[in-house]
Amino acid sequence: AQSVAQPEDQVNVAEGNPLTVKCTYSVSGNPYLFWYVQYPNRGLQFLLKYITGDNLVKGSYGFEAEFNKSQTSFHLKKPSALVSDSALYFCAVRTDLDAGNNRKLIWGLGTSLAVNP
Amino acid sequence: DGGITQSPKYLFRKEGQNVTLSCEQNLNHDAMYWYRQDPGQGLRLIYYSQIVNDFQKGDIAEGYSVSREKKESFPLTVTSAQKNPTAFYLCASSMGTGSYEQYFGPGTRLTVT
Repeated sequence: AQSVAQPEDQVNVAEGNPLTVKCTYSVSGNPYLFWYVQYPNRGLQFLLKYITGDNLVKGSYGFEAEFNKSQTSFHLKKPSALVSDSALYFCAVRTDLDAGNNRKLIWGLGTSLAVNP
Repeated sequence: DGGITQSPKYLFRKEGQNVTLSCEQNLNHDAMYWYRQDPGQGLRLIYYSQIVNDFQKGDIAEGYSVSREKKESFPLTVTSAQKNPTAFYLCASSMGTGSYEQYFGPGTRLTVT
């Protein structure tokens, strides 16, 4: 079954410390993985994606993510957290082709990141 | 929020009324999507369209309808058949449904009483 999991509902980190938001996935084919951020009452903003190539992907606002095929994970990281990074973070994985030759994104339930001053 | 607009930002309706949410994009994207977001449930796909005059049901299409008569526009109608319509609705678009990221509008918060 195709799925994506964000095992932590909330992550708390002190400003200046490194942060990690976890994501694991399950798809049959090669995984296409995405991270998005959502600020309160706003739409989602794309941060980064993994399609192929280097396992360490760099994205917007200093975020990066590490693809680990053996652990089926795609954790979001940032070396030094800012208070302004406090938001809701979503991981998504592209589905395999369905019977209608269509693909969609499967979304995690989100992780609320709180960066404390 | 890119080149995607959703209107209105807040919408209030009485139970039993149909309501249409607007979504327009100027990104020249082929694919467009409607999601519903409820607290603790992440994003759930309602409908999506890969090309003009074609659309597919998502995971929770019951009680909703869409049209895609123009590339730029993908309106969503919440019908009276939708049992629990109060939610935050997000529209998105992408160049395609393959490796392309989706760009989201600012959302419409619908409250039905």
